[in-house]
Amino acid sequence: EVVLTQSPATLSLSPGERASLSCRASQSGNNYLAWYQQKPGQAPRLLIYDASTRAPGTPARFSGSGSGTDFTLTISSLEPEDFALYYCQQCTDWRLTFGGGTKVEI
Amino acid sequence: QVHLVDSGGGVVQPGRSLRLSCAASGFPFNVFGMHWVRQVPGKGVEWVGVINHDGGNILYADSVKGRFTISRDNSRNTLYLQMNSLRGEDTALYYCARDYGVGKYIDYWGQGTLVTVSS
Repeated sequence: EVVLTQSPATLSLSPGERASLSCRASQSGNNYLAWYQQKPGQAPRLLIYDASTRAPGTPARFSGSGSGTDFTLTISSLEPEDFALYYCQQCTDWRLTFGGGTKVEI
Repeated sequence: QVHLVDSGGGVVQPGRSLRLSCAASGFPFNVFGMHWVRQVPGKGVEWVGVINHDGGNILYADSVKGRFTISRDNSRNTLYLQMNSLRGEDTALYYCARDYGVGKYIDYWGQGTLVTVSS
């Protein structure tokens, strides 16, 4: 079973700054890696899939990269609405695994 | 537009059962696989299980296997989660969610329904 480890647990930044969130898989499998954003009281929202493809409606300031076991979500310039929780997720034969999350706070 | 409405949550005693429902609209329900995902308030997200478009393939997380059953009624555009032998650790917000990419991701989520297992 793949374990996804996200770091850091909390990222304290200011609007306009660049954010880099890490997701590391315990074993190399596929590059079917997604990133979700979750705001308080809301369900997660798909941002990035296939490691680097933006989902419809995802702003261009969000980008995903990586392969194998190391993946990164980058937010080029933080907007006030970007302060939220972010989860990575990988799949193996229809089974989904989520990371523990990174909170991006002001 | 895609709309998923979760219902059926509540407070239940340990060892008892509960059935959740998810009413889908705005898309061809019988074409998409569907997932159940849960989240303890303030904690991370845990995948519970998945059912493919016609119900012929169902998978569960080890934590619920043998206790939970996922089913669907494509004529009613409804997804179900039958939860038996409930435990305190099953307390969570349960989301139904639409599969994206044939078993790879989730693109739409319900609003969630809260299940509290407590005596």
